[in-house]
Amino acid sequence: DIQMTQSPSSLSASVGDRVTITCRASQTIRSYLNWYQQKPGKAPKLLIFAASTLQSGVPSRFTGSGSGTEFTLTISSLQVEDFATYYCQQTYRTPYTFGQGTKLEIK
Amino acid sequence: EVQLVESGGGLVQPGRSLRLSCTTSGFTFGDYTMSWFRQAPGKGLEWVSFIRSITFGATTEYAPSVKGRFTISRDDSKSIAYLQMNSLETEDTAVYYCTRDTSSWYRSDYWGQGTLVTVSS
Repeated sequence: DIQMTQSPSSLSASVGDRVTITCRASQTIRSYLNWYQQKPGKAPKLLIFAASTLQSGVPSRFTGSGSGTEFTLTISSLQVEDFATYYCQQTYRTPYTFGQGTKLEIK
Repeated sequence: EVQLVESGGGLVQPGRSLRLSCTTSGFTFGDYTMSWFRQAPGKGLEWVSFIRSITFGATTEYAPSVKGRFTISRDDSKSIAYLQMNSLETEDTAVYYCTRDTSSWYRSDYWGQGTLVTVSS
């Protein structure tokens, strides 16, 4: 199975900050990398697919980059509604696997 | 509007079975791959299974943790996806989500609200 490792596991930041979350794959996954946002008690929401393509309706302050084994999700200017848990997911090979999540909290 | 609604969750004893349903609307169900994911209490996300569209043979795949115990299926005439779960274990306790998937750069673009399955004696 392909292992996905996110860092950090948790992050405290303030409204307006720029934050970056990293996701590493245990082998190449080309650009088959998705990012999801999940708020407590809610279903995940797709933010970015194919490593860098913004899902329709997602604000442009979210950007994804990377290919191969290293990927990043950047939020350029945090808004209150961005405080949530973020997951990366590889869909290069089954079983599709997720990172352990990054919990973004208000400082 | 795309909608997915899971049902069928509940409390079940270890070793017993349960069938989850995902009732959908707002899109042409037969054109899409459908998946199930789960999330144990306080834990991260886990992919469980998918079933491709009939165009692609309705082929299925499963996570190793459920292979041989769970079966995914679809009824395109009713726009419903199912997850038959047999020989349930306490480790299967989780919120189960169904998703609509887009095969191009495979991703789950719509999710249901989830249904809780609790396996306990």
